[in-house]
Amino acid sequence: GAGVSQTPSNKVTEKGKYVELRCDPISGHTALYWYRQSLGQGPEFLIYFQGTGAADDSGLPNDRFFAVRPEGSVSTLKIQRTERGDSAVYLCASSLTGGITGNTIYFGEGSWLTVV
Amino acid sequence: SQQGEEDPQALSIQEGENATMNCSYKTSINNLQWYRQNSGRGLVHLILIRSNEREKHSGRLRVTLDTSKKSSSLLITASRAADTASYFCATDAAGGKLIFGQGTELSVKP
Repeated sequence: GAGVSQTPSNKVTEKGKYVELRCDPISGHTALYWYRQSLGQGPEFLIYFQGTGAADDSGLPNDRFFAVRPEGSVSTLKIQRTERGDSAVYLCASSLTGGITGNTIYFGEGSWLTVV
Repeated sequence: SQQGEEDPQALSIQEGENATMNCSYKTSINNLQWYRQNSGRGLVHLILIRSNEREKHSGRLRVTLDTSKKSSSLLITASRAADTASYFCATDAAGGKLIFGQGTELSVKP
């Protein structure tokens, strides 16, 4: 596609519910990233995929957070038993290749999650 | 955790003036990238500077990198009201993931 696409753009959910956020990267990009951004802060790294595998998941805050990329393209970030502190913008990004090649990383518009 | 720190946190200038934002980081890097974010929108890539480069230009943007001081600066010349946004530096240390700073909120008054 033309850019990184994220759905939904906005999600309001009740505390304790399960949420899925979807990311469709730029066509042909092998690297995919998830970030979380709270109000007034910079984005915080969550997880990075190279192809289908998670190359680095060190940013996932706890075991309620999980992400998959089964076919090396679309990715889903899954949050179980949501808490009010999970409220944030979840940003997805992709790049042509990962690693240390210094490729530009392109971001989507984000999914705004509000847990009430 | 945040790697970089931007300075100042907020900057307000008049249209036509230059805006300078600074970024400091802690660990060795492969490259440093600057991004812009309009309120409520995603991040837009502005410029990438590699660790072996000292200065880079793109239109009205000038980025410098001093690896000995672990710092970078972004200069926007002849600013416009449309430049109003938050600006973030992000370092690529290893594995391709970016670590972002807290950002500088730039306001350009017409």
